[in-house]
Amino acid sequence: GQSLEQPSEVTAVEGAIVQINCTYQTSGFYGLSWYQQHDGGAPTFLSYNALDGLEETGRFSSFLSRSDSYGYLLLQELQMKDSASYFCAGVSGGYQKVTFGTGTKLQVIP
Amino acid sequence: DADVTQTPRNRITKTGKRIMLECSQTKGHDRMYWYRQDPGLGLRLIYYSFDVKDINKGEISDGYSVSRQAQAKFSLSLESAIPNQTALYFCATRGQGFDNTEAFFGQGTRLTVV
Repeated sequence: GQSLEQPSEVTAVEGAIVQINCTYQTSGFYGLSWYQQHDGGAPTFLSYNALDGLEETGRFSSFLSRSDSYGYLLLQELQMKDSASYFCAGVSGGYQKVTFGTGTKLQVIP
Repeated sequence: DADVTQTPRNRITKTGKRIMLECSQTKGHDRMYWYRQDPGLGLRLIYYSFDVKDINKGEISDGYSVSRQAQAKFSLSLESAIPNQTALYFCATRGQGFDNTEAFFGQGTRLTVV
């Protein structure tokens, strides 16, 4: 089976930095994706890590360590609009199955 | 128009009824997925498909069936709906190849079984 674990909730202050962790147990693992979902909306893609290390896209960065089965999403210069749920998703198997974590609800406060 | 379209957007149905949720896409992607979302449980994979001849069960396929009528269409059916199938359902697509890592989601179908 496959499982991806995340903290259920995180609160951070506007302008600060927050890290959302994801640990996974996935057979045939290829890489880790991150998605953002605002209340009532559809998930939207943020990033993908196939290799170990840090990937940076604007204010968002994502990290992967295959040896530790661990990744994280780093959000810098937090804005109120970043309040949303964030999901890590493992890509695995020859058919590129995409399995999502339980999600982390981020609340940004003034 | 949206690249991935789900119909209906909202549906209330009675226990025991058969219901079909439809998904169509204009992205030309070969891979399509159905997920259900429940509070605190994230998105759980129901079925996925890589072409019209390839259908695979996900984590929670019991009580559901799917049909891939064409590359662009992937339908999810509940043969006999039950209240614990009340959830938000999402269809998603991905392109072929290991470089196509982004999944594109429809706007979701909110299903209530009473």
